[in-house]
Amino acid sequence: DVKVTQSSRYLVKRTGEKVFLECVQDMDHENMFWYRQDPGLGLRLIYFSYDVKMKEKGDIPEGYSVSREKKERFSLILESASTNQTSMYLCASRERQDMNTEAFFGQGTRLTVV
Amino acid sequence: AQSVTQLGSHVSVSEGALVLLRCNYSSSVPPYLFWYVQYPNQGLQLLLKYTTGATLVKGINGFEAEFKKSETSFHLTKPSAHMSDAAEYFCAVRLSSGGSYIPTFGRGTSLIVHP
Repeated sequence: DVKVTQSSRYLVKRTGEKVFLECVQDMDHENMFWYRQDPGLGLRLIYFSYDVKMKEKGDIPEGYSVSREKKERFSLILESASTNQTSMYLCASRERQDMNTEAFFGQGTRLTVV
Repeated sequence: AQSVTQLGSHVSVSEGALVLLRCNYSSSVPPYLFWYVQYPNQGLQLLLKYTTGATLVKGINGFEAEFKKSETSFHLTKPSAHMSDAAEYFCAVRLSSGGSYIPTFGRGTSLIVHP
């Protein structure tokens, strides 16, 4: 089974802090994604990466950056956390984008910015 | 413009009743369509998917969905609801964006099952 592991289930950070959310997948998938989930808004794509060192902006990249130095790891960075970034963050991976395969999700990180 | 529309943010059914969760999509190319389920405090897991071939797709836990191109719909059904089906359900479509294919999700439907 594919396993996508997010480093923290719950995080509480202060406004202005630099925050790192880590995601690791164990199935040699090329594609990785970061989504943000808010009630009534569903999942919104922040960034995605289709291969190592490659990244593309999603629908809501402002205030975020990403890093993918190794194939298995995709990090989401909040440069200066703000209260409006309080949310559930979901990482996902997918084998390749030219395959009709589904995305596999981690358990999510619930971030609270105070 | 939203590419995946889920009608109804909440659907309430009695245990044993039919479950119907609605999803409509907009896509200029033949779509790949997915339904995911999210239980409380967990990530999403795949229920079923349509790529090509048979338009009636069966998934896990007794769920199925039918792709209707003429209606641009991919509604999720289950003949008899169980208490354990209470969860958030997301419809997703694989969209083309600048040469990349991105899973794009609807806003979700919360299924409530009454005893």
